[in-house]
Amino acid sequence: QKEVEQDPGPLSVPEGAIVSLNCTYSNSAFQYFMWYRQYSRKGPELLMYTYSSGNKEDGRFTAQVDKSSKYISLFIRDSQPSDSATYLCAMTQGAQKLVFGQGTRLTINP
Amino acid sequence: GAGVSQSPRYKVAKRGQDVALRCDPISGHVSLFWYQQALGQGPEFLTYFQNEAQLDKSGLPSDRFFAERPEGSVSTLKIQRTQQEDSAVYLCASSSRTQRNEQFFGPGTRLTVL
Repeated sequence: QKEVEQDPGPLSVPEGAIVSLNCTYSNSAFQYFMWYRQYSRKGPELLMYTYSSGNKEDGRFTAQVDKSSKYISLFIRDSQPSDSATYLCAMTQGAQKLVFGQGTRLTINP
Repeated sequence: GAGVSQSPRYKVAKRGQDVALRCDPISGHVSLFWYQQALGQGPEFLTYFQNEAQLDKSGLPSDRFFAERPEGSVSTLKIQRTQQEDSAVYLCASSSRTQRNEQFFGPGTRLTVL
């Protein structure tokens, strides 16, 4: 079993919909949680970075962490076709290697 | 440049050839990481440098893989006697001393071994 599990999708939703992306993890030592967006043939781009349990909002994006359930989520409001990409969750024990999920391929249909 | 750069962007090698992949981190970033990303998968950790010191190489898949960062800036990942299973995108990331958990990635080098 992988340390970080993420549904690979693909996930296809209409423009304007709310998107929910999720990851579960097994290592309770993980303290820092990130979401990256990766467009085709590009490197991952850091979207959100959180430390504590709870919600963090940045524009249309909300990251949620529940350490007790070992579960993290990314919500995208008012989704746009430009949001179509692969979304990767990642986590670390601190200043060390990132452990990634498999990535969820998301398509927003105009 | 403002971001992490990698070269070459694409590399085709015949099985058994040696390859060298270069990473230029963001200026002033002390930490540098290499990851390997197979098609349809998330990146997997290979190795980590803090300045010129290689602090973790636990992810290197075999002794054919070697990385260095001799002056604490540019890094090179070398793969000797390439095999078909080495075909992947190799990503480099860097982070600063003050924001050590925020890793910024380069565009990657896509290696194809024939």
